[in-house]
Amino acid sequence: DVKVTQSSRYLVKRTGEKVFLECVQDMDHENMFWYRQDPGLGLRLIYFSYDVKMKEKGDIPEGYSVSREKKERFSLILESASTNQTSMYLCVIRDSNYEQFFGPGTRLTVL
Amino acid sequence: GDSVTQMEGPVTLSEEAFLTINCTYTATGYPSLFWYVQYPGEGLQLLLKATKADDKGSNKGFEATYRKETTSFHLEKGSVQVSDSAVYFCALTGTGGGNKLTFGTGTQLKVEL
Repeated sequence: DVKVTQSSRYLVKRTGEKVFLECVQDMDHENMFWYRQDPGLGLRLIYFSYDVKMKEKGDIPEGYSVSREKKERFSLILESASTNQTSMYLCVIRDSNYEQFFGPGTRLTVL
Repeated sequence: GDSVTQMEGPVTLSEEAFLTINCTYTATGYPSLFWYVQYPGEGLQLLLKATKADDKGSNKGFEATYRKETTSFHLEKGSVQVSDSAVYFCALTGTGGGNKLTFGTGTQLKVEL
């Protein structure tokens, strides 16, 4: 199985700060995804990447950007954090057999 | 686009009761269907899946059958335990968009003694 590591489990930031969330896999899979999870809304796709330097917008990309400079690392960037971006952020890796592997999540609070 | 609709919770049952959590979907083509479970304080785990019509996924006493004619993938368990208390998510992967997972909103299950 793929091991998915996220840089922080808990993060507290202030409104307007630039925030970086990192996701690292221990394999060589191409497809990586960032979701946010909110009560009553389920998981919603923010961005995904299918190769180095390749990215696609998901369902709710506004206020976010991403970076994939190396295959094993996929970063989610909040250019100017806002309180409505307080959420649980989940990184997901998909392997060549279409199995999905979830990271432990980062709970971000924006004050 | 693809979408998943599942019954709202919370669902509260007594131990050994029968469980059904409804899930219906909208998708083009032939999606794969999944149920994920999230126990309190933990991450999502794959519970079961089905990749084509009439397939039945099963795991830990839970079952779900891929019904293309009704676009449904209802989760069932014959006798729930307190340890089944969790949030359950129905999801699908479509045939485009990086085969992304599209999730339902989740259904919280509480099982009491």
